[in-house]
Amino acid sequence: RKEVEQDPGPFNVPEGATVAFNCTYSNSASQSFFWYRQDCRKEPKLLMSVYSSGNEDGRFTAQLNRASQYISLLIRDSKLSDSATYLCVVNKITGGGNKLTFGTGTQLKVEL
Amino acid sequence: EAGVTQFPSHSVIEKGQTVTLRCDPISGHDNLYWYRRVMGKEIKFLLHFVKESKQDESGMPNNRFLAERTGGTYSTLKVQPAELEDSGVYFCASSPLGDGAIEQYFGPGTRLTVT
Repeated sequence: RKEVEQDPGPFNVPEGATVAFNCTYSNSASQSFFWYRQDCRKEPKLLMSVYSSGNEDGRFTAQLNRASQYISLLIRDSKLSDSATYLCVVNKITGGGNKLTFGTGTQLKVEL
Repeated sequence: EAGVTQFPSHSVIEKGQTVTLRCDPISGHDNLYWYRRVMGKEIKFLLHFVKESKQDESGMPNNRFLAERTGGTYSTLKVQPAELEDSGVYFCASSPLGDGAIEQYFGPGTRLTVT
């Protein structure tokens, strides 16, 4: 079983739609949680951190449920520029740094 | 401020050859990480340096892989001899030292193809 599980998609949605991605993780010792965005043939870039209280950044809302080991990302009013792969990432803090564990990613295609 | 840079961007080598990948982290970042994505799989952790010391090398696949960070600045990852299954994208990331979850900044990656 993978440590971080995501639906690979693709999710094809029209511009303006709301889309939600989910992710589960298996290691209960995971300490921090993130969504990264990766454009085609580019490096991953941090989209947002995820907290139990939920956090929002513009059109993006992330939520963590530690009891269920479940992470979500909601994108409202999706734009063409949101088309990318969204990576669910969990983290264990070790020795002054962080060891990131990635999901395989969920591909989003926003269409006209 | 310059981001994480990696060289080369692409490398095509034959099975059995040696390849050395280089990563220059963001200036002042003591943490340096190597990750790898092979076709169809998730990005996986390889190892973590704090300055010049290997903090965690639990993700290194086997002894054909050797990572160094002499002087605590740039890092190299050498694959010798390369095998077909080593093909993939090798990412380097860096972050400052600190407590808690610190954002890692990724380089553009080196795409390695072993034929």
